[in-house]
Amino acid sequence: DTGVSQDPRHKITKRGQNVTFRCDPISEHNRLYWYRQTLGQGPEFLTYFQNEAQLEKSRLLSNRFSAERPKGSFSTLEIQRTEQGDSAMYLCASSLADRANEKLFFGSGTQLSVL
Amino acid sequence: DAKTTQPNSMESNEEEPVHLPCNHSTISGTDYIHWYRQLPSQGPEYVIHGLTSNVNNRMASLAIAEDRKSSTLILHRATLRDAAVYYCILREFGGSQGNLIFGKGTKLSVKP
Repeated sequence: DTGVSQDPRHKITKRGQNVTFRCDPISEHNRLYWYRQTLGQGPEFLTYFQNEAQLEKSRLLSNRFSAERPKGSFSTLEIQRTEQGDSAMYLCASSLADRANEKLFFGSGTQLSVL
Repeated sequence: DAKTTQPNSMESNEEEPVHLPCNHSTISGTDYIHWYRQLPSQGPEYVIHGLTSNVNNRMASLAIAEDRKSSTLILHRATLRDAAVYYCILREFGGSQGNLIFGKGTKLSVKP
């Protein structure tokens, strides 16, 4: 399978715990994005990387959230001290940077439930 | 970011064409029009994009108004597998922002 892979598919945690999600992009892609989606809403941008550099973060991104892409390949998204409002689907996407024809390829997401 | 407006939902019959509209009256000259769709329990997938001319690919066609203030995604023969939420998104050519801004999209239902 050469698509975007996310792990785990589902995560249930208690409020106050830390969680970490992993994303493995398509191998030749240099850009990697994180989005969050709640029921009935479109995906909401969180942050993106070009290679290992984090180029943009949403203003809505709490300081409890941190993302890394240490070698420009896989990425991790950590949420510290989870809150019930963090319950959502966390989507990862990757792409080849292209000024006109960039297409994002999404994974199937990690569904987080905070109890 | 330029905004788009789409109907919340649409219905279609199987094997009939579907025209999904999108209004983007504040589009700028450097904005590309992108369409993505999201099937149930999956991440979004790219459908098509264009700038000024109509575009065709194996999934769909994109018809862009001459003034570029609206566009229509055309599925030539809807199948049950086309039931999804369709997102119309504007993306600035070469812009500093790397991300796509998704709205709520149009939920397409396909009846057998």
